[in-house]
Amino acid sequence: LAKTTQPISMDSYEGQEVNITCSHNNIATNDYITWYQQFPSQGPRFIIQGYKTKVTNEVASLFIPADRKSSTLSLPRVSLSDTAVYYCLVARNTGGFKTIFGAGTRLFVKA
Amino acid sequence: DAGVIQSPRHEVTEMGQEVTLRCKPISGHNSLFWYRQTMMRGLELLIYFNNNVPIDDSGMPEDRFSAKMPNASFSTLKIQPSEPRDSAVYFCASSFGPREKLFFGSGTQLSVL
Repeated sequence: LAKTTQPISMDSYEGQEVNITCSHNNIATNDYITWYQQFPSQGPRFIIQGYKTKVTNEVASLFIPADRKSSTLSLPRVSLSDTAVYYCLVARNTGGFKTIFGAGTRLFVKA
Repeated sequence: DAGVIQSPRHEVTEMGQEVTLRCKPISGHNSLFWYRQTMMRGLELLIYFNNNVPIDDSGMPEDRFSAKMPNASFSTLKIQPSEPRDSAVYFCASSFGPREKLFFGSGTQLSVL
């Protein structure tokens, strides 16, 4: 499974756009990139998933360059409630399904 | 749907006791995962099941840990005997299938004294 590397923490202010980049140099052809969000005392929650180019939903956008060795989660106009840990994962269907979480990025949104 | 349901929410026990954590996945989901989260080690995948069959248990720390999924709507994670280093939050998650998003339960906070 491809190892992922993300910044340990990031700070932002309310109303700003936040971009969190994840590197996954060893990503394989059939790997997907998925992001989760975790608040204290809760389980992680799915945000977005993509394979290549750009994916957008009501919460975030995911940008994946052509070589797929990195990806960027974009959170538009963050609020205090977006303070959480964000995990980048690379997952593969290996005859079952194995999802490994890395250390994540702690995002602090300030007023 | 009520989501993934875990019980108990909190468990405090003494070293050497048996601990059983329970999980009810979302109806219709055919993959189930057990994770453990600590400050030092983050989120660790312990074991996952597909169609009630254990696919990969390489994350299970040692023989003291065991997991079962007797049917599509129930799974247990058992620790016997428990040790203080087992103290952590244990999460259960389920998904509809390969590459589908995971839905996590609220977790069980386990404290072994």
